[in-house]
Amino acid sequence: DSGVTQTPKHLITATGQRVTLRCSPRSGDLSVYWYQQSLDQGLQFLIQYYNGEERAKGNILERFSAQQFPDLHSELNLSSLELGDSALYFCASNPSGASTDTQYFGPGTRLTVL
Amino acid sequence: AQKVTQAQTEISVVEKEDVTLDCVYETRDTTYYLFWYKQPPSGELVFLIRRNSFDEQNEISGRYSWNFQKSTSSFNFTITASQVVDSAVYFCALSEAQGTGNQFYFGTGTSLTVIP
Repeated sequence: DSGVTQTPKHLITATGQRVTLRCSPRSGDLSVYWYQQSLDQGLQFLIQYYNGEERAKGNILERFSAQQFPDLHSELNLSSLELGDSALYFCASNPSGASTDTQYFGPGTRLTVL
Repeated sequence: AQKVTQAQTEISVVEKEDVTLDCVYETRDTTYYLFWYKQPPSGELVFLIRRNSFDEQNEISGRYSWNFQKSTSSFNFTITASQVVDSAVYFCALSEAQGTGNQFYFGTGTSLTVIP
């Protein structure tokens, strides 16, 4: 158990819908990262937050947005869902947001868009 | 172009054999970090090792060893005396600075099957 929690574990929804994925970092970690793992695209970095502020952006679609709240939990919002958004979404956290700190990954949220 | 290339999609070995997983990366940064992660069938991602671009010393941890060569932009991972529990997908990753944060690039993964 990495100490990073993600809810829900599974999510099934329809095209065009909007969903919110939630991540709670390890106690004491200030930085949160979001990743998408799909069969087509592999494992892709989406976005990084540190203490509520966006720090780095990867291949995150405009239909997707994220935020980190004052209690440090983070949410990833996916809207106008398409079949291709079906994937495993991972959240990771580390203390400082630096690459010198190990990232600890949550168990992931499996999103299925029908 | 891929920033991280793992040319081996799938590898099968018999238990107790040694196996090397290849990773080639591409970056223009002088400071960067390389990682290996393991994803067992249960799906979680497990951190194995991190290397910074200034530390080319090879590392050994039990049956695992890593060979970092800047001259060939490679960061290969060897498992000695493989075991069935080593069966997993292994990802190599590169981290570069982006503003005040870090951008991460993952390879496509190598699926290792260890046959008993």
